Amino acid sequence: NAGVTQTPKFQVLKTGQSMTLQCAQDMNHEYMSWYRQDPGMGLRLIHYSVGAGITDQGEVPNGYNVSRSTTEDFPLRLLSAAPSQTSVYFCASSYSPPGGLIGANVLTFGAGSRLTVL
Amino acid sequence: AQRVTQPEKLLSVFKGAPVELKCNYSYSGSPELFWYVQYSRQRLQLLLRHISRESIKGFTADLNKGETSFHLKKPFAQEEDSAMYYCALFLYNQGGKLIFGQGTELSVKP
Repeated sequence: NAGVTQTPKFQVLKTGQSMTLQCAQDMNHEYMSWYRQDPGMGLRLIHYSVGAGITDQGEVPNGYNVSRSTTEDFPLRLLSAAPSQTSVYFCASSYSPPGGLIGANVLTFGAGSRLTVL
Repeated sequence: AQRVTQPEKLLSVFKGAPVELKCNYSYSGSPELFWYVQYSRQRLQLLLRHISRESIKGFTADLNKGETSFHLKKPFAQEEDSAMYYCALFLYNQGGKLIFGQGTELSVKP
């Protein structure tokens, strides 16, 4: 049981390049989400998904695309990287949206992916 | 607009001192709030949630709807409490988003 796996751990891009951050979970979680972590800004929600085939925008979706073709995978795509996208990215998942008393609704986080855009 | 505010970027206390990490929220619905913690070289994890009224590692947090606050408290800080703490708000009326505050770094000195 690997939990939430993010790849790559580190990446350096040039402005204008594209790349995909991978996120996979093996816990049969329906809910998956992407956050970026920046000093002084905390964690900001980029996109999230409540199940395969369903995605929605978070607080800071511009410049990012997502898709959810399987329950296990939730890749985050940067189509044309910009220096403002330099950040640490976290993927997180839970059985259902992360609210309520039920313990299964607690978010499980990945280890993070550090992206630098030059 | 829905928002979570943690006014302190850094909180530094000595071991054994009380600690309070502040969290204020803005939300039109019934709030559901959480504290998440990230210890050095570990993944973000849930510390506690208001709905279960629990105490974890000596930390408690009480929801005050009048002051729209959910401050995290511990009467006697330990060095192992040093970490980054995030307050989070679950948005039921927006499809189930969980939004976070800016985070507070707690440093407990010996």
